[in-house]
Amino acid sequence: KAGVTQTPRYLIKTRGQQVTLSCSPISGHRSVSWYQQTPGQGLQFLFEYFSETQRNKGNFPGRFSGRQFSNSRSEMNVSTLELGDSALYLCASQGYPLGSYNEQFFGPGTRLTVL
Amino acid sequence: SQELEQSPQSLIVQEGKNLTINCTSSKTLYGLYWYKQKYGEGLIFLMMLQKGGEEKSHEKITAKLDEKKQQSSLHITASQPSHAGIYLCGADGGGADGLTFGKGTHLIIQP
Repeated sequence: KAGVTQTPRYLIKTRGQQVTLSCSPISGHRSVSWYQQTPGQGLQFLFEYFSETQRNKGNFPGRFSGRQFSNSRSEMNVSTLELGDSALYLCASQGYPLGSYNEQFFGPGTRLTVL
Repeated sequence: SQELEQSPQSLIVQEGKNLTINCTSSKTLYGLYWYKQKYGEGLIFLMMLQKGGEEKSHEKITAKLDEKKQQSSLHITASQPSHAGIYLCGADGGGADGLTFGKGTHLIIQP
């Protein structure tokens, strides 16, 4: 089975721009979660999608949004980029929603640099 | 919200030695995950523990969840250079907050 894939792997943007990141979960998995990882804050939960519905959202501003398609692929969007948005963005997939305590597998991440 | 504290923050171990990493939670753990991360890369799933007293092993790595379900330990036997990286514990608080992660333990293996 192919693992979780994320595109692009690296991205450089300037302040004020917007960006869209993509995640393809493991085949058959319907839950996709997004995380932001920075040296200062560590790994922080952004949101989770299951069957095209956002189930949970972390403590991030409205500039961070996402969606999930019928094939379970997910995108996250960050508008009006700030320098502090520079981070590694990780996507994870599970067969069932968070809270059902099953294995969660992560993709390789997208490294976003905001200049 | 749940908080996870990992200790030690960093660890330098001579190749062939054993080591233990701890993860302590501020709340009862219902689903505890261990991951390994190479610098700047994605997380590699190691193990998930759910029941108090549960212990799982994979190759030379063993993880335990204590009976009171507020602490987990990861033990590596006869460490190898391939074990080097950042070890992260994560807790599933029931879905509302996603997985909450500890700050990680940086493991360096000296030849």
